[in-house]
Amino acid sequence: DVKVTQSSRYLVKRTGEKVFLECVQDMDHENMFWYRQDPGLGLRLIYFSYDVKMKEKGDIPEGYSVSREKKERFSLILESASTNQTSMYLCASSFEGEWHGELFFGEGSRLTVL
Amino acid sequence: SQQGEEDPQALSIQEGENATMNCSYKTSINNLQWYRQNSGRGLVHLILIRSNEREKHSGRLRVTLDTSKKSSSLLITASRAADTASYFCATDPILTGGGNKLTFGTGTQLKVEL
Repeated sequence: DVKVTQSSRYLVKRTGEKVFLECVQDMDHENMFWYRQDPGLGLRLIYFSYDVKMKEKGDIPEGYSVSREKKERFSLILESASTNQTSMYLCASSFEGEWHGELFFGEGSRLTVL
Repeated sequence: SQQGEEDPQALSIQEGENATMNCSYKTSINNLQWYRQNSGRGLVHLILIRSNEREKHSGRLRVTLDTSKKSSSLLITASRAADTASYFCATDPILTGGGNKLTFGTGTQLKVEL
């Protein structure tokens, strides 16, 4: 079974702190994604990557950056956390050969910024 | 803006009844997918229907797609309490430049009562 693992299920940070959210997948997927999920807004794409060291902006990249140094790992970075970044963050991955196939999601990381 | 919009936002039924959820979208698509999310967890892929398909079945799930109306429906037959979850449709719009950039709706919250 494909497994997508997010490093922290729950985090509490203070405004201005730098936050790292880590995601690792074990199925050699080329594509990886970061979404945030907020009530009433559904899932919104922050960044995605289709190869090592490659990244593309999604719909809401402001205030975030990403890193993909290894194929299996995709990190989301909040350079200076703000209260409006309190949210559930979901990492996902998919096969390169299935550009338009299913996404495999991690369990999510619920971030609270005080 | 959200590509897919689910209807209804919330649905409460008795165990054994059928549950129908609808999804409308705005632009032409390669495929449409349905996902399920248990409270506080990640999303799990249920079914994918391609733009040239009209109906698809998977166990107790039946999905239809009407590209002329830009809409889809998910039917869960003989519902169980364990089906209680949020259900999201996700569309893969044509002309996004690849990258499997699914766009998610805001979801339907299904509650199945004993």
